Amino acid sequence: DGGITQSPKYLFRKEGQNVTLSCEQNLNHDAMYWYRQDPGQGLRLIYYSQIVNDFQKGDIAEGYSVSREKKESFPLTVTSAQKNPTAFYLCASSIRHRGSGGELFFGEGSRLTVL
Amino acid sequence: AQSVSQHNHHVILSEAASLELGCNYSYGGTVNLFWYVQYPGQHLQLLLKYFSGDPLVKGIKGFEAEFIKSKFSFNLRKPSVQWSDTAEYFCAVVWGGYQKVTFGIGTKLQVIP
Repeated sequence: DGGITQSPKYLFRKEGQNVTLSCEQNLNHDAMYWYRQDPGQGLRLIYYSQIVNDFQKGDIAEGYSVSREKKESFPLTVTSAQKNPTAFYLCASSIRHRGSGGELFFGEGSRLTVL
Repeated sequence: AQSVSQHNHHVILSEAASLELGCNYSYGGTVNLFWYVQYPGQHLQLLLKYFSGDPLVKGIKGFEAEFIKSKFSFNLRKPSVQWSDTAEYFCAVVWGGYQKVTFGIGTKLQVIP
């Protein structure tokens, strides 16, 4: 079945450590996204990528980094510079078409807890 | 900055009551509009979308939304809610057809049997 796979589902990290969240899609979508979901704050965009080897900062990119070396993969690294990394992280993808941008397909999410 | 506002953060309704959730966005121009739903324990999924044409759009499970350009609004409605509609609902907007998708903070709907 086509879809988006995020791993791990749950992750614990000590302060000062970097951690990488995986996101893989087999939908053949060009665009991929990372959002952070916090209670009462909705979904906030961290980074997005419209094509391979290109990505743009979203609204809360500080303390995060991404890469897009393959079309199907868009890993997110939460660095030690992120002040409040405990959150639920959602990866999404979409077709890249100007007229119909925004129809997102989501993974099940990764919950990161910093101890 | 571009933003999306959802006015009702937590709504409690009895089964069979009518539902309307508000969504407003900043700036005009060409927009793509969406409502997403997150049922308890499930991933986010698309409820309905508007790209162009008829401003009244119908989605899954009896939901509909109306795009009112002059009010920068895209309110979600359902004539009669069911207990299974208990979920969190997110409005989302894309400006100018580009790929950056901005979400509202969400509305938690609780339907009481």
